[in-house]
Amino acid sequence: KNEVEQSPQNLTAQEGEFITINCSYSVGISALHWLQQHPGGGIVSLFMLSSGKKKHGRLIATINIQEKHSSLHITASHPRDSAVYICAVREFIGGGADGLTFGKGTHLIIQP
Amino acid sequence: GAGVSQSPSNKVTEKGKDVELRCDPISGHTALYWYRQSLGQGLEFLIYFQGNSAPDKSGLPSDRFSAERTGGSVSTLTIQRTQQEDSAVYLCASSFALAREQYFGPGTRLTVT
Repeated sequence: KNEVEQSPQNLTAQEGEFITINCSYSVGISALHWLQQHPGGGIVSLFMLSSGKKKHGRLIATINIQEKHSSLHITASHPRDSAVYICAVREFIGGGADGLTFGKGTHLIIQP
Repeated sequence: GAGVSQSPSNKVTEKGKDVELRCDPISGHTALYWYRQSLGQGLEFLIYFQGNSAPDKSGLPSDRFSAERTGGSVSTLTIQRTQQEDSAVYLCASSFALAREQYFGPGTRLTVT
């Protein structure tokens, strides 16, 4: 079973700061997901990636398959970015459970 | 278009009772997943359906948990003889196909008293 580790567990920053959240995993994967969960809210998928880099607005996700590591970056952070960010991985199809294995999440607070 | 819907949004039940949780996936999505989010435990995979294939039940925590998917659309997660440790938010997600982006429902908060 894949072990998914996120860091930091908690992060408080000032509005406008550049934010980086890290995720590492132990077993080769077919895809990695970054999810966002607002307090009391549902889960929204931000990115699904298997290589390289993806960008959507102020959010950037990168993955290094060889190092089994991914980062989520937020540029020009804003209080509305305050949420829990969750990394999740899918192992190779047919290699085990086809559902996702989740990290414990990073609780991000952006102060105005 | 409509997203993934789940019902009920909240369910309080007494220990030992059976409960049924429902998930309506996005129309046309062939893959459907059930997850559980327990306080302090994070998210965990329970069961997965892909089209008409047999479900992957590898994440179900005990034989008190079962799920079915009728007509390749709506799914029901059943928990028999509920225990207090079953208290959690149960999330459903669907995707267009295997290994594609997953869309999550709002969840059902289950409290076992």
